[in-house]
Amino acid sequence: DTEVTQTPKHLVMGMTNKKSLKCEQHMGHRAMYWYKQKAKKPPELMFVYSYEKLSINESVPSRFSPECPNSSLLNLHLHALQPEDSALYLCASSYPGQREKLFFGSGTQLSVL
Amino acid sequence: AQSVAQPEDQVNVAEGNPLTVKCTYSVSGNPYLFWYVQYPNRGLQFLLKYITGDNLVKGSYGFEAEFNKSQTSFHLKKPSALVSDSALYFCAFGSGGYQKVTFGTGTKLQVIP
Repeated sequence: DTEVTQTPKHLVMGMTNKKSLKCEQHMGHRAMYWYKQKAKKPPELMFVYSYEKLSINESVPSRFSPECPNSSLLNLHLHALQPEDSALYLCASSYPGQREKLFFGSGTQLSVL
Repeated sequence: AQSVAQPEDQVNVAEGNPLTVKCTYSVSGNPYLFWYVQYPNRGLQFLLKYITGDNLVKGSYGFEAEFNKSQTSFHLKKPSALVSDSALYFCAFGSGGYQKVTFGTGTKLQVIP
């Protein structure tokens, strides 16, 4: 299994809603990442988890709350988002010794109304 | 600030012709450089990396990249383009003890039949 699975594929939410994005991998990777990608732009790193501990937070607003319940799962909890948060949210994972080789999921296309 | 630059938003090449997608870097110390590809509505896929060693790096799908220290470049190349190579290509570099992969702005490759 060489896949990173993200659900849902599409999400529409209002600014007062609470929702969660989910990411799962069964490759034994111990580093997991959240990236945000706006249309026609490169992915921008949001968070890095290493061995289930948050190791990098790129000054992301608190309305985004990551969680890594175990080595296979990564969640991104969303609350009180703004329309400018609409984007493709990509999850990735990697082996500890090969952090440059990221395995990406297909992403969740998020629209905030 | 460290960065990679992709000077071309789009590259068009005829099927069967050689292709080059350009990348220059501004990275302190020994650069860790990578190429990724993104097909429509998909996450990114790792193509190849340069860490140290041979300046010509071979990767997936017949792609290769040439590291040139004097020109601070890391151009992606393929001897014979396929229509299926049409995608968005990102140059990237590693930092933060390898935990962080930062992407360039991307180059859209269009292979014309």
